[in-house]
Amino acid sequence: NAGVTQTPKFRVLKTGQSMTLLCAQDMNHEYMYWYRQDPGMGLRLIHYSVGEGTTAKGEVPDGYNVSRLKKQNFLLGLESAAPSQTSVYFCASSYSSVWDGYEQYFGPGTRLTVT
Amino acid sequence: QQQVKQSPQSLIVQKGGISIINCAYENTAFDYFPWYQQFPGKGPALLIAIRPDVSEKKEGRFTISFNKSAKQFSLHIMDSQPGDSATYFCAAATGSADSWGKFQFGAGTQVVVTP
Repeated sequence: NAGVTQTPKFRVLKTGQSMTLLCAQDMNHEYMYWYRQDPGMGLRLIHYSVGEGTTAKGEVPDGYNVSRLKKQNFLLGLESAAPSQTSVYFCASSYSSVWDGYEQYFGPGTRLTVT
Repeated sequence: QQQVKQSPQSLIVQKGGISIINCAYENTAFDYFPWYQQFPGKGPALLIAIRPDVSEKKEGRFTISFNKSAKQFSLHIMDSQPGDSATYFCAAATGSADSWGKFQFGAGTQVVVTP
């Protein structure tokens, strides 16, 4: 099992460009999440999904869109990148609700720089 | 604003010593409190978690202490080893309908264990 994988690992964008980050999991998990990690801020939830075809906003959704067309994939899109979106992005997945004790598994991260 | 406040930002401990990291929260609806360990260049991984119906949980050298009345919880790393050098995040989650699946993370504590 590969677990949670993220593509790409690194990316540099110019302000105004768009891109899509891909997250894939092979654990048949229902729940998937996108976080961003900034120094001194911990991880902040951007969007999440509780099943194929469903998405919901997290704590910091502005400037991002997501799609979950297949159970194993969760895509994060930036339509018009801004320097404030420079961050490390982590995808995670869990079999069911994390507060029911189901572990959240994280991918290795994508380091995005917007110039 | 961060709903989970974590301290200290960093700490240095000698091999064999005890590392203590503290977290405080405001939202009494939180009912699941995990700790994550993150090594450089990797995603966070669940270390240990506790629910408010117990005051302490121990797994190997890692112990969570929970004080519901003070709305505080802490991670103790006993007999700290150089391999424990990492960044540790506390988190809190609630299963309430309006925050389903959402986590709030602390800002993180960088722990360095010296030989």
